[in-house]
Amino acid sequence: SQELEQSPQSLIVQEGKNLTINCTSSKTLYGLYWYKQKYGEGLIFLMMLQKGGEEKSHEKITAKLDEKKQQSSLHITASQPSHAGIYLCGAPQGAQKLVFGQGTRLTINP
Amino acid sequence: DTGVSQNPRHKITKRGQNVTFRCDPISEHNRLYWYRQTLGQGPEFLTYFQNEAQLEKSRLLSDRFSAERPKGSFSTLEIQRTEQGDSAMYLCASSSLAGGPTGELFFGEGSRLTVL
Repeated sequence: SQELEQSPQSLIVQEGKNLTINCTSSKTLYGLYWYKQKYGEGLIFLMMLQKGGEEKSHEKITAKLDEKKQQSSLHITASQPSHAGIYLCGAPQGAQKLVFGQGTRLTINP
Repeated sequence: DTGVSQNPRHKITKRGQNVTFRCDPISEHNRLYWYRQTLGQGPEFLTYFQNEAQLEKSRLLSDRFSAERPKGSFSTLEIQRTEQGDSAMYLCASSSLAGGPTGELFFGEGSRLTVL
């Protein structure tokens, strides 16, 4: 079965700094979803990438999908306290579900 | 609010008791999912419904777990004879077939279970 490994597992950055979170798959990626989770709450959809080389941006968050490397990256520019939380990548497994990575816990220090 | 709604948000129970969680999906969504999330881990798939049909169950879903979705609307997840290892956040998500093979999953706030 497909497994997703996220790195780093946790990240502490100074407010205003840029950061990158990676998600590496054990198998070919046919799409990749990024979600954000506030501690103890549900998941909030950020972006969906469907094709190799695809790049999407929303506000200060950019995600890319590299199919050859079986990897996706999430980049945050000029981080803010509102970016703090747990970032999760998910990949479709079959037509019916997503498999998730273990998450990356992001802390923003003022 | 027309998002995915889960109840109760938090349940504390003693080992051996039965618990039931309810999920009300977004009304026009015909796909409904249950996931389980333990501390420091990503969500793990438990089961999936398309309308009222339960189409897939994870091997994580032991005989003590049962999920239903009567009439293809709300869903319940029951855990019988709870064990301490059942302590986790139980997440419900829904999506529309129109969203593609998996589509965007809309998650509820989760139901946190603590088994003493």
